[in-house]
Amino acid sequence: SQTIHQWPATLVQPVGSPLSLECTVEGTSNPNLYWYRQAAGRGLQLLFYSVGIGQISSEVPQNLSASRPQDRQFILSSKKLLLSDSGFYLCAWIQGGSDTEAFFGQGTRLTVV
Amino acid sequence: KNQVEQSPQSLIILEGKNCTLQCNYTVSPFSNLRWYKQDTGRGPVSLTIMTFSENTKSNGRYTATLDADTKQSSLHITASQLSDSASYICVVKPFNDYKLSFGAGTTVTVRA
Repeated sequence: SQTIHQWPATLVQPVGSPLSLECTVEGTSNPNLYWYRQAAGRGLQLLFYSVGIGQISSEVPQNLSASRPQDRQFILSSKKLLLSDSGFYLCAWIQGGSDTEAFFGQGTRLTVV
Repeated sequence: KNQVEQSPQSLIILEGKNCTLQCNYTVSPFSNLRWYKQDTGRGPVSLTIMTFSENTKSNGRYTATLDADTKQSSLHITASQLSDSASYICVVKPFNDYKLSFGAGTTVTVRA
């Protein structure tokens, strides 16, 4: 069966520090991978998605970047965090075909102080 | 613009009671609609999927309905339990596009 791992679960970082959140998927190949941010009272906001190694599409201009160095690895990064980067970040992979269920990681609660 | 609106934003119900959550969407062309349950501090997990031709689908005490003509869906929770306390998110997938549209969710609190 397919599983998705995301870490860390919580993170407190000072303003101006770098960020690296990692997401890996097991049990599938060539998955479509996504990074979302969830703000209180709002729907999930798509940040980046990737349909293959090295292929990254950005949905929202911001202080963050994403990379996909391996087929089942998706990384969310920042060189210098801002206070506004605080939030709940979710990695997901979406199964292809007509069913298209999204499987989410456990999420990362990022607090920038 | 593809949008998904959910109501109410939050609700509180007593254990054993029923409740209904609403979802209106403007996503077009439509492929499917899923309801997800998200426990606090966790990732969402799919409860049900509704395609264009389906009107009602149940998963245990959860029953989802879909009216593709009016672009409305509902999620009914029967005989609520404390473990039903969570956020319920309506997610709509457009046809031939993997960019999902998410509602803001309805936070359900079940009290003993």
